[in-house]
Amino acid sequence: KNEVEQSPQNLTAQEGEFITINCSYSVGISALHWLQQHPGGGIVSLFMLSSGKKKHGRLIATINIQEKHSSLHITASHPRDSAVYICAASRPISSGSARQLTFGSGTQLTVLP
Amino acid sequence: DSGVTQTPKHLITATGQRVTLRCSPRSGDLSVYWYQQSLDQGLQFLIQYYNGEERAKGNILERFSAQQFPDLHSELNLSSLELGDSALYFCASSVGFSGRDEQFFGPGTRLTVL
Repeated sequence: KNEVEQSPQNLTAQEGEFITINCSYSVGISALHWLQQHPGGGIVSLFMLSSGKKKHGRLIATINIQEKHSSLHITASHPRDSAVYICAASRPISSGSARQLTFGSGTQLTVLP
Repeated sequence: DSGVTQTPKHLITATGQRVTLRCSPRSGDLSVYWYQQSLDQGLQFLIQYYNGEERAKGNILERFSAQQFPDLHSELNLSSLELGDSALYFCASSVGFSGRDEQFFGPGTRLTVL
């Protein structure tokens, strides 16, 4: 079992739909990152959160530490939102303070006009 | 534009060769991270440097090595290249090393080993 699981793997939506991408993790984390990867390959950091909820424009990210679960929501989706969305858990590597990101496999989102 | 630069953008080489990938972090960031993204393994953490010192090591092969220089730019050296090393290599930078800082990703270097 992967330490970070994402669902769904693929998601196709109509423009304007509300979209939810889920991320579950099985390890203790210090933070959860949501990343967006465009078709050209570039990666953009969307959110980093360790508790509660964050909002940026039409994007909302939530995390439930007790349930080890995070969600990324996109309201009023648009074709330009089409991309791969990746969650990554920042977790300790050893007993020290070093951390590493462990990535989910990504969700390919396609928003149709 | 994240402020992180990587060169070259594309690299095509042959098995057995050695290549060097270069990364310049955002101004003010002290941490540099290297990641590999391949079709079968997805994104994987390779190594982190903070202010010139190795800070954390992930799934980095012994054939690979990295360093961070006094001006904070970093290089990832890949040697004895194999077909399976073909991948996108990203670097990212952040202010601190704790894992609680946002990471800013460079555009990546696409390595093709023939």
